[in-house]
Amino acid sequence: NAGVTQTPKFRILKIGQSMTLQCAQDMNHNYMYWYRQDPGMGLKLIYYSVGAGITDKGEVPNGYNVSRSTTEDFPLRLELAAPSQTSVYFCASRDGGNTGELFFGEGSRLTVL
Amino acid sequence: GQQLNQSPQSMFIQEGEDVSMNCTSSSIFNTWLWYKQDPGEGPVLLIALYKAGELTSNGRLTAQFGITRKDSFLNISASIPSDVGIYFCAGPFTSGTYKYIFGTGTRLKVLA
Repeated sequence: NAGVTQTPKFRILKIGQSMTLQCAQDMNHNYMYWYRQDPGMGLKLIYYSVGAGITDKGEVPNGYNVSRSTTEDFPLRLELAAPSQTSVYFCASRDGGNTGELFFGEGSRLTVL
Repeated sequence: GQQLNQSPQSMFIQEGEDVSMNCTSSSIFNTWLWYKQDPGEGPVLLIALYKAGELTSNGRLTAQFGITRKDSFLNISASIPSDVGIYFCAGPFTSGTYKYIFGTGTRLKVLA
């Protein structure tokens, strides 16, 4: 039972490079989320999606883009990477019920030098 | 913007002691969730609360949904070393949405 799978687990980027963090879930969840967690800090919502074709901004969307072409996948794109984007990125999903439980991936640790 | 403030920020306690932490918001929440994050891993749900005044337990953990709907509390009884981690409260940014935000976290260290 895979749950939420994130790739890559670790990545080092140079300033100005671009990359995509992949997130896939096999639980047929409608809602998917991207959070970032800076060292010693809480989780900040970057973007979220309530279903295929629908995305919306969270608390800290600048410098990122997302797409949701399928229910399973929710990639996060970083354009022109900056040192301020050094963080651990977590993808999460939940179903449409009222339990509120978010299921998290293991995280992707990104360093921008 | 909306914020969930947790206190204390960090705690050092002796094994066997009880722990209390809380989460406050400037706005009303209809759902409160408590998560634990172990080092190097994603958060895992501990307890979910859906009604004002609700008191829910999960083993040694007990959480309460504050009457004002602007706060929630988590208690851990008889702490053990594996309770070490970061505890987060979370909830939907505004009522009826699924834009979940997280609190600032309480870092717990248990001394054997």
